[in-house]
Amino acid sequence: KAGVTQTPRYLIKTRGQQVTLSCSPISGHRSVSWYQQTPGQGLQFLFEYFSETQRNKGNFPGRFSGRQFSNSRSEMNVSTLELGDSALYLCASSLGQGLTYEQYFGPGTRLTVT
Amino acid sequence: LAKTTQPISMDSYEGQEVNITCSHNNIATNDYITWYQQFPSQGPRFIIQGYKTKVTNEVASLFIPADRKSSTLSLPRVSLSDTAVYYCLVGDDPSSGDKLTFGTGTRLAVRP
Repeated sequence: KAGVTQTPRYLIKTRGQQVTLSCSPISGHRSVSWYQQTPGQGLQFLFEYFSETQRNKGNFPGRFSGRQFSNSRSEMNVSTLELGDSALYLCASSLGQGLTYEQYFGPGTRLTVT
Repeated sequence: LAKTTQPISMDSYEGQEVNITCSHNNIATNDYITWYQQFPSQGPRFIIQGYKTKVTNEVASLFIPADRKSSTLSLPRVSLSDTAVYYCLVGDDPSSGDKLTFGTGTRLAVRP
């Protein structure tokens, strides 16, 4: 079956702009989680959506937000971009919540903020 | 969420067995231990998960002692393609905002 897809794969934005990233989970998966990966901080959890509701949120400022649609597709939005937001943003889907469910990751969106 | 500690990096040669140990002293009763593998420019990939004793699949084995304060990922006969970063995760509390903290992982380099 098709894996997790993320669009766009690469993005260049300017400080102060906002950006929206998209994630399409594996068919049948209802949980979508977002992560930020940077060389300095590693892989950090942003938030998780399950059945269109945000279930968990990591320690990121309110500029980072997301939503999930009825077909489980998810979007992540970052407003007022800062240079430090440059990172690889990964989306993962799973059948349910919790670590007992295997997470399937997409290829990521590489965001560069100039 | 239990904090995990892993070696930053490890080196090995093709054909050897590699054991990566993860410490998780504050593991909770309901926590599972999960390992992921990540290649450059790709998302992490699930390797194995366990709760106690030993778990084996076609890729790796996971050894968990009785006190569950640590776990060891064992990769038999590694090849060059096993060069990657390996992450140990512990937890399963859906109410925790940090429930999926990957940490910095262990960078494994396999040499010919």
